[in-house]
Amino acid sequence: DAKTTQPNSMESNEEEPVHLPCNHSTISGTDYIHWYRQLPSQGPEYVIHGLTSNVNNRMASLAIAEDRKSSTLILHRATLRDAAVYYCILRDVNSGNTPLVFGKGTRLSVIA
Amino acid sequence: EAQVTQNPRYLITVTGKKLTVTCSQNMNHEYMSWYRQDPGLGLRQIYYSMNVEVTDKGDVPEGYKVSRKEKRNFPLILESPSPNQTSLYFCASSFKAGGWEQYFGPGTRLTVT
Repeated sequence: DAKTTQPNSMESNEEEPVHLPCNHSTISGTDYIHWYRQLPSQGPEYVIHGLTSNVNNRMASLAIAEDRKSSTLILHRATLRDAAVYYCILRDVNSGNTPLVFGKGTRLSVIA
Repeated sequence: EAQVTQNPRYLITVTGKKLTVTCSQNMNHEYMSWYRQDPGLGLRQIYYSMNVEVTDKGDVPEGYKVSRKEKRNFPLILESPSPNQTSLYFCASSFKAGGWEQYFGPGTRLTVT
């Protein structure tokens, strides 16, 4: 998987929007942008993914830059349950076995 | 509810005593995988399965075995556990291999003394 760069940590107040950035300047045309998160003492959890267009689901929104070299995960109203480490990963949909490789991710703290 | 289940969630055992960690998914996924997670090392893949009766080694397969006799189940077998296999283990599944999103089980914390 191509390399991504994320801030080590971010902080947000409860019920405010959170924008988690990710840079992926070496992304290839067949790489999807995936986001996962891992809450304390839990298994990793799929959040959202996209290729070129912005995506929305019940958990979050994904905004993808026009040149695809960066993306932003948006949590519209952070809750205490959203405190987790968030990982941005590029995955080639055409590849075979592609184990998930989590980098350091961004540790999100949510303040009540 | 669509989910991946693992059992047991916690296990303390002694060196050399064979054990099996079960993994089951109810989403009819073809691809299943086992990871271990250790502090500072992140997730590392142990074994994976592209479909029934098709399994292959991941990055850290030594000391582990797997089988995939049914689509829904993918047990992880430690024939002779050693202390360096003390870790947090996750099973995951996805619709197919490749870039599909993966769904993880809750984890099994294994301690080998």
